[in-house]
Amino acid sequence: DGGITQSPKYLFRKEGQNVTLSCEQNLNHDAMYWYRQDPGQGLRLIYYSQIVNDFQKGDIAEGYSVSREKKESFPLTVTSAQKNPTAFYLCASSMGRANQPQHFGDGTRLSIL
Amino acid sequence: AQKITQTQPGMFVQEKEAVTLDCTYDTSDQSYGLFWYKQPSSGEMIFLIYQGSYDEQNATEGRYSLNFQKARKSANLVISASQLGDSAMYFCAMREDSIIQGAQKLVFGQGTRLTINP
Repeated sequence: DGGITQSPKYLFRKEGQNVTLSCEQNLNHDAMYWYRQDPGQGLRLIYYSQIVNDFQKGDIAEGYSVSREKKESFPLTVTSAQKNPTAFYLCASSMGRANQPQHFGDGTRLSIL
Repeated sequence: AQKITQTQPGMFVQEKEAVTLDCTYDTSDQSYGLFWYKQPSSGEMIFLIYQGSYDEQNATEGRYSLNFQKARKSANLVISASQLGDSAMYFCAMREDSIIQGAQKLVFGQGTRLTINP
């Protein structure tokens, strides 16, 4: 079945540690996105990528980094510079056409130890 | 400035009743798109319905319909014959058209928590 796989489902970060969240899609979508969701809030865009080896900052990119070496993969690294990383992180992909929706993974819940 | 406003933090509805979830938006673009997503307690985001700014008809998808009033900048989601499984968070989102071709930047509202009572 086609879809988006995020791993791990739960992740714990120690002080000063970088952690990487995985996102893989087999939908053959060109565009991929990372969102952050805080409790009781909507989603905020962290980074997005239109094509391989290209990505753009979203609204809250500080303290995060991404790479897009393969069309299928768009990992997100939460760096130690992100002082409040506890949140629910959602990865999405889309065909890149205006009327096509973004498809989401099941999310990764990140907490501070 | 907030671009998507969902004024109902929570709604409680009896099973089988229809429910309307409000969404107002703010944009100066002539071309834009509006999406509704459902988020169950498990966390995944499920796409429900889409309305383009130039679409002449209100969008419908099964029990979901969109009451699109362009002049009032509102795009309310209507769920007919609600079911217990409809209990979830619902998010309205807008695609801004000042975008890089191929990628959509979505702006999300704060969401409405819908609870269906038996």
